[in-house]
Amino acid sequence: AIVLNQSPSSIIASQGEKVTITCRASSSISSNYLHWYQQKPGAFPKLVIYSTSYRASGVPSRFSGSGSGTSYSFTISRVEAEDVATYYCQQGSSNPNTFGAGTKLELK
Amino acid sequence: VQLVESGGGLVQPGKSLKLSCSASGFTFSSYGMHWIRQAPGKGLDWVAYISSSSGTVYADAVKGRFTISRDNAKNTLYLQLNSLKSEDTAIYYCARRGARGYFDYWGQGVMVTVSS
Repeated sequence: AIVLNQSPSSIIASQGEKVTITCRASSSISSNYLHWYQQKPGAFPKLVIYSTSYRASGVPSRFSGSGSGTSYSFTISRVEAEDVATYYCQQGSSNPNTFGAGTKLELK
Repeated sequence: VQLVESGGGLVQPGKSLKLSCSASGFTFSSYGMHWIRQAPGKGLDWVAYISSSSGTVYADAVKGRFTISRDNAKNTLYLQLNSLKSEDTAIYYCARRGARGYFDYWGQGVMVTVSS
């Protein structure tokens, strides 16, 4: 199984700050199959970025993603209060599909 | 698109439970579907997948105990959970498979608690 190592496990940021989350895969993944989700407290996960860098429908432009091979990143250019959530990377390249452990974003 | 899970509850270790996921707003028979779970306070854990042609794949942790199935006439996805263990306690989500292996729509989840 492909293991996704996500870091950091938590971030405390101020509103307006830029934050970046890293997801490193144990083996190379096609960038088409690396995705990011946002899960707000008490809610189900929501697809935010698919295929490394494409924003899902309705997702604000402050969210972006990049990467290739085994190293991927997710960035919020200017954090807003509504972005408080846990973020997960996921690979759909091979079975079993796997998730990173998650990054919890909190506001300072 | 709407996915609505049901069938969760409190069950004793070793017993069985069957979860359902009712789908609407899209052509259910054309999509692969997944079950994903989340233990209390923990991260996301993929459980099982069924393709549009009913091929199945399972996580090692549930292989031989859980069975994923679908009824396209009823637009419903199922997960049969047998020989339940305390570590199966989680919120279970159904999700639709997107074109490149992402989960583009999720249900609200259903809680399964395995305890004596």
